[in-house]
Amino acid sequence: GDSVTQMEGPVTLSEEAFLTINCTYTATGYPSLFWYVQYPGEGLQLLLKATKADDKGSNKGFEATYRKETTSFHLEKGSVQVSDSAVYFCALSDQLTGGSYIPTFGRGTSLIVHP
Amino acid sequence: EAGVTQFPSHSVIEKGQTVTLRCDPISGHDNLYWYRRVMGKEIKFLLHFVKESKQDESGMPNNRFLAERTGGTYSTLKVQPAELEDSGVYFCASSPSAGGYNEQFFGPGTRLTVL
Repeated sequence: GDSVTQMEGPVTLSEEAFLTINCTYTATGYPSLFWYVQYPGEGLQLLLKATKADDKGSNKGFEATYRKETTSFHLEKGSVQVSDSAVYFCALSDQLTGGSYIPTFGRGTSLIVHP
Repeated sequence: EAGVTQFPSHSVIEKGQTVTLRCDPISGHDNLYWYRRVMGKEIKFLLHFVKESKQDESGMPNNRFLAERTGGTYSTLKVQPAELEDSGVYFCASSPSAGGYNEQFFGPGTRLTVL
């Protein structure tokens, strides 16, 4: 079945450092790929998505490129801020049900950014 | 506009007891989803309602779990009797019904601890 593997955390960085969180996937079809973020005390929020190969999703300074040849969707940000501290989930879905995708999630990567 | 709300935020119960979790979706959203994250593992899909009907309950782990959505508004997820392995964070999400892709909006989750 479909699965998502993302790097284990926590990832600890200083403010303004470069961020990469690796994500690779296994899927039988041609899934859409997502990054979700969960800030402390809040629900998951969709951060960005890409629906086909070579698409780049971007939002809030984060970006990720759908790489079909390496089955990857790594999350990057050029300069992190303390407010980016959160748990980041990579996800895929090739199942459109009722107008919405049912994501298959990775285990989540905790990011801690120090001033 | 209010987001998805979940109650309680935390619940600690003993093995064998019953617990009921509640989710209030965003007003007007026909789709309601339940997910669960066991500590350190992936977020797993449990089931999907369209209005008051169960569209997909393939992720429900066993018959100790009962989900309802009376009147197509709020939903409850009852665990009876609870077991140790039921501990985790239970997320609810909702989305509108429309053509094409619709983002799911997640609640903050209910953390369930079974002792």
